[in-house]
Formats: sequence, structure tokens, C-alpha cells
Amino acid sequence: KAGVTQTPRYLIKTRGQQVTLSCSPISGHRSVSWYQQTPGQGLQFLFEYFSETQRNKGNFPGRFSGRQFSNSRSEMNVSTLELGDSALYLCASSTAGGSYEQYFGPGTRLTVT
Amino acid sequence: GQSLEQPSEVTAVEGAIVQINCTYQTSGFYGLSWYQQHDGGAPTFLSYNGLDGLEETGRFSSFLSRSDSYGYLLLQELQMKDSASYFCALTSNTGKLIFGQGTTLQVKP
Repeated sequence: KAGVTQTPRYLIKTRGQQVTLSCSPISGHRSVSWYQQTPGQGLQFLFEYFSETQRNKGNFPGRFSGRQFSNSRSEMNVSTLELGDSALYLCASSTAGGSYEQYFGPGTRLTVT
Repeated sequence: GQSLEQPSEVTAVEGAIVQINCTYQTSGFYGLSWYQQHDGGAPTFLSYNGLDGLEETGRFSSFLSRSDSYGYLLLQELQMKDSASYFCALTSNTGKLIFGQGTTLQVKP
């Protein structure tokens, strides 16, 4: 079975721009969660989608949004980028929502200049 | 809210045993997980404790005590490839996975 894939792997954007990141979960997995990883803050939960519905949301501003499609693929969008948004964005999939065993993708490294 | 605390760094020698502690504050949770992340890699699931006590998976064991709000990951027969960051994570009662800041383990020859 193919693992979780994320595109693009690396991205450089300018302050004020917006960005869309994509995540394809493991086949058969219906839950996709997104995390932001930075050296200072560790792994922080952004949101979780299950069967196209947002089930959980972390403490991030409204500039961070996401969606899930009927094939379980998910996208997250960050608008009006700030320098502090530079991070590794990881997505993880699991068979069911709220699962403790999540399978992570390699991440998208976003740099905001 | 929920928070987890882990030591930032631990160093041990090859062949030794090391314990990484995790203390937490939460109003309710389902269980405590552990993940390993090598430099430049994705986190991978290691272990889960839904109930108090010890869970053993090969060289790795994990322990949970809800009364003490404490858990740990025990790594035995350390190998150089075990050098990585280790994260404890709570599955909250709303289903979110809340991660600690991570512990960097350095295994020396």
C-alpha cells in the first residue's frame, strides 16, 4: 500500500501571498489531520477531517483553512502569509477519526520571505 | 487546556537502556501514544497506552499512570539508529492528538 503523500515538498512564498498544500491519505483511510511543526512550538494540531467534514480544529487563526474531498484527499490553505507561518506542514491519515495511530506524510516545508 | 512536558534532550550509549518521561495536564483523554521522528523524516507511531500499565513492543515499552498524570517510553538495547526525536501525544476526549515538544535522543557509541 502506498503511504501518505504530500505535495509540494518544498515551497517558498512571500508575505501576504496565499498557499495551498495537498495531502493524499493511505487508500481506505477516511480521516486526515494536519499539523504544523516548528522548532519552537513542536507539533501543533491544525484540524482533522473525516468523510469530508471537519471534526476537530486547533487554535489557529482563520487564515488557516482546509477541506476534504470525496476521495479523502485533503487540502489546506493559508491566506495572507506571515513570516511566522514558515514551518513543516505534516498531514496524517488514519482509518477512523480520533485515532491514536496516525500515518504521517513526509511534509511540506513552507518558507515565507 | 491540555499540555505535555518532556525533557528536551537525553543522551545514552549504545546497548544501554533509556527512559523518556512525559507528564501531562488534561481534563480528560483516551490514552497516551509515542511517536519517533528521525531528522528530516515523518513521525512514525511506536506505542499506545489506553489503560494504566506497561505495553511492550520488542525493544520498546511504554507505561502510563493516570493517577500520577505520567507516562514514559523505555528503549532497551539502544542502537545508533534509535537516535531521533520522541514525542508523547495525548488522544483528547474530543479526538484530537496533542503532542509534547519532543525529546531528542542521542545514542553514542
